[in-house]
Amino acid sequence: EAQVTQNPRYLITVTGKKLTVTCSQNMNHEYMSWYRQDPGLGLRQIYYSMNVEVTDKGDVPEGYKVSRKEKRNFPLILESPSPNQTSLYFCASSLVGEGREQFFGPGTRLTVL
Amino acid sequence: QQPVQSPQAVILREGEDAVINCSSSKALYSVHWYRQKHGEAPVFLMILLKGGEQKGHEKISASFNEKKQQSSLYLTASQLSYSGTYFCGTETKTGNQFYFGTGTSLTVIP
Repeated sequence: EAQVTQNPRYLITVTGKKLTVTCSQNMNHEYMSWYRQDPGLGLRQIYYSMNVEVTDKGDVPEGYKVSRKEKRNFPLILESPSPNQTSLYFCASSLVGEGREQFFGPGTRLTVL
Repeated sequence: QQPVQSPQAVILREGEDAVINCSSSKALYSVHWYRQKHGEAPVFLMILLKGGEQKGHEKISASFNEKKQQSSLYLTASQLSYSGTYFCGTETKTGNQFYFGTGTSLTVIP
């Protein structure tokens, strides 16, 4: 089954404790992206990757890191989480090129205390 | 560059029609529409490309006015399953960066 998976689905942590949210896709997509969703603000892009070893900042990259060492994986790293990073996070993947459909993972709800 | 959607929320009875609008202050190269049900991930509905090409959902239609930098999503004869939050999205000219609107909550009641 074609899908995007994320882990963990739920995470409660404390300020400053480094964490990683994993994302994996099995559709051989070149493009992968991370979004955060907050009430009233919609989905905002954090980082995206056009292919292996090619990553770039989205609209709200501060406080986040990513890496793309393999085509299928695109982990999101919060090296020193803060309460304002409490949010619902979605990973997505797609082919490259104009007008392609993005496939979203199930989401990770993160709470930083 | 985040697109603006209107209305923010709408409540319909089954069988009624709705229109959701999306506008941008920047040039639009394509418009994407997604629907998100409560507690779930966004799901693709439709893409509209410059030049009039559309790809997507059979029972939902949309328009794309390139000159006005606007798009509208038309939901006709709404069903209970149409309930959810609808997002429009736009991409940069290179197709790399993506911007979603703030969403329109649509509730269909019996």
